[in-house]
Amino acid sequence: NAGVTQTPKFRILKIGQSMTLQCTQDMNHNYMYWYRQDPGMGLKLIYYSVGAGITDKGEVPNGYNVSRSTTEDFPLRLELAAPSQTSVYFCASSFGTAPNEQFFGPGTRLTVL
Amino acid sequence: DAKTTQPPSMDCAEGRAANLPCNHSTISGNEYVYWYRQIHSQGPQYIIHGLKNNETNEMASLIITEDRKSSTLILPHATLRDTAVYYCIVRVARSSGSARQLTFGSGTQLTVLP
Repeated sequence: NAGVTQTPKFRILKIGQSMTLQCTQDMNHNYMYWYRQDPGMGLKLIYYSVGAGITDKGEVPNGYNVSRSTTEDFPLRLELAAPSQTSVYFCASSFGTAPNEQFFGPGTRLTVL
Repeated sequence: DAKTTQPPSMDCAEGRAANLPCNHSTISGNEYVYWYRQIHSQGPQYIIHGLKNNETNEMASLIITEDRKSSTLILPHATLRDTAVYYCIVRVARSSGSARQLTFGSGTQLTVLP
């Protein structure tokens, strides 16, 4: 199993540009999550999904959109990039049943200039 | 989720056991103890979890006190690659809304020395 994979690994955007961060998992997990981690800080939940077609906002959803058309994929969309979105983005997945441990991807390092 | 307290940093000699403590005195009966680690610039990695009993897997052992107010993560033979920030997280297995997120505190920076 590849686990959770994310692309790209690195990206530099100009203010106002848009992009999609890709996340795929091959563990047949129902739940998927997007977190961001600013330098020296903990992770903050952006969006999560409990299954295909179902998504919900986390702690910091503004400026982002998600979709979940399949069990495997959970892309994160940035429509109008802003410097405040410079961060490392992690995707994670879990079964959703107890004990519900989360498995993380390697991250996407995004810089908005 | 119950609050956890961990020492900010610890050193361990390579090949020796690393014992990382965590206090969670306000833990509820339905809350699990999870341990994750984050090696610099990488995604957090799940290590182990437990509810009441001690647990062991290929990575580590988790010792939970009988009153469940504290626990210890044991890496039996630490290597240089185990240098990371280790997070102790206490939470119910399933929760709603934003409570589904994992809340990573400050953790313990473990440095394995050659």
